[in-house]
Amino acid sequence: DAKTTQPPSMDCAEGRAANLPCNHSTISGNEYVYWYRQIHSQGPQYIIHGLKNNETNEMASLIITEDRKSSTLILPHATLRDTAVYYCIVTLSAGNTPLVFGKGTRLSVIA
Amino acid sequence: EAGVTQFPSHSVIEKGQTVTLRCDPISGHDNLYWYRRVMGKEIKFLLHFVKESKQDESGMPNNRFLAERTGGTYSTLKVQPAELEDSGVYFCASSQVQNQPQHFGDGTRLSIL
Repeated sequence: DAKTTQPPSMDCAEGRAANLPCNHSTISGNEYVYWYRQIHSQGPQYIIHGLKNNETNEMASLIITEDRKSSTLILPHATLRDTAVYYCIVTLSAGNTPLVFGKGTRLSVIA
Repeated sequence: EAGVTQFPSHSVIEKGQTVTLRCDPISGHDNLYWYRRVMGKEIKFLLHFVKESKQDESGMPNNRFLAERTGGTYSTLKVQPAELEDSGVYFCASSQVQNQPQHFGDGTRLSIL
C-alpha cells in the first residue's frame, strides 16, 4: 500500500469548514483513498473513500487531485464533536485488505 | 443494524494470566479483522479471517496469541500467558465485500499488571 503523509495537527473554528490534506504521491492506479477518524475512546469510524472522482456523503467531501497524488477531506461545518484524529489510508481494497494506519491528523475544533 | 461489538470493554489482569477477548461482527460480514494499539504507537493489524479461515495472520506478535472464529460468526482472541507489553486497546473490524469499508468496534482496553 502507498504511504501517506498528513500534518500532525490542525485547529478549526466551530462552524467553519475543516480542510484536512493528505499526500499520497506513490499511489498506484487501482488504489483507493479512505478516510477514517477516531474520536477519543471509540473505535475508528469510516468517513468516506474514493478512487478518482470527488465524493460527497452526509459526513464529508473528498477531493482528489487529478494526478491522484494528494487529496483533501472537507468537513463543511465543523462542530465540537468532530474533534478527533483523522486518518488518510491508501489501499487496494479496504474490504479484504488490512488497513495501515499512520499517525493521522489531530483536528481540534474550537468554540 | 447492530455494529461491531466487543467484549469486555475493559480487562485488567496480572502478568501470566489468560484473557479472552470477543468480537461480534456485523451480521453477514465474512471479513473479520483484529488490530491493536499499544501505548504511544499507531494502530497495527494483527490478523484477518474470511469466514472461519485465517486469511492473513502476519501481524500476530507471537504464539501467546490465538485467534479463532468457529462457524464464521463471532471471533475470540486469547492471550496466554499475558505479558506487560500486551497492554493496549484491541480493535475488531468487519467488512462485507471487497471494496466496502471496514467497520470497527470500540475496542477492548487490556491492562496487564
